[in-house]
Amino acid sequence: GAVVSQHPSWVICKSGTSVKIECRSLDFQATTMFWYRQFPKQSLMLMATSNEGSKATYEQGVEKDKFLINHASLTLSTLTVTSAHPEDSSFYICSPKLDRAYGYTFGSGTRLTVV
Amino acid sequence: DAKTTQPPSMDCAEGRAANLPCNHSTISGNEYVYWYRQIHSQGPQYIIHGLKNNETNEMASLIITEDRKSSTLILPHATLRDTAVYYCIVRPSADTGRRALTFGSGTRLQVQP
Repeated sequence: GAVVSQHPSWVICKSGTSVKIECRSLDFQATTMFWYRQFPKQSLMLMATSNEGSKATYEQGVEKDKFLINHASLTLSTLTVTSAHPEDSSFYICSPKLDRAYGYTFGSGTRLTVV
Repeated sequence: DAKTTQPPSMDCAEGRAANLPCNHSTISGNEYVYWYRQIHSQGPQYIIHGLKNNETNEMASLIITEDRKSSTLILPHATLRDTAVYYCIVRPSADTGRRALTFGSGTRLQVQP
């Protein structure tokens, strides 16, 4: 259980455009989704936490106006990178909050390249 | 969460056992040891977790020292598909998934043919 589907798996966009990344929980309802990003040769870093029906919370240093998170339903959370710049190029991964402390599941990740 | 220390990289021959160490000398009594791995360009994958007893599942074995200050993840017969970054994470048992996982730098395991 706790399968999450993330799309797209990769995307190339031009500077200044926006990109939307979707994470869908397939066999359960996710009230909370964690969003991570991973720069090349670095570890995963938590960016933000989305909560169904309420505002997302952002980690220090993450611009909430740039990384728009929407969690409008229990099965869909989206991350939109607005006005993308080359420095936003990264690997973005979602992970639903589960009621257990083990066996966290993760989306397959989205590799964003901004040119 | 207790801090963990792992070697940055290790090599292992295909078919041999891969033993990945993790030091967590500041671990407290209610904290579990979790292992995840991340194959290149994929999301992390849960492997195993334990408190103080050794654990085994279909993927790996986890050996925790008696003083719980270190542990070893063992992949008994490593294959090329086991090439990945392995993360050792320590979390309180009472933490029922309220918080996101905190990933350190992990160990990059390269399985050689």
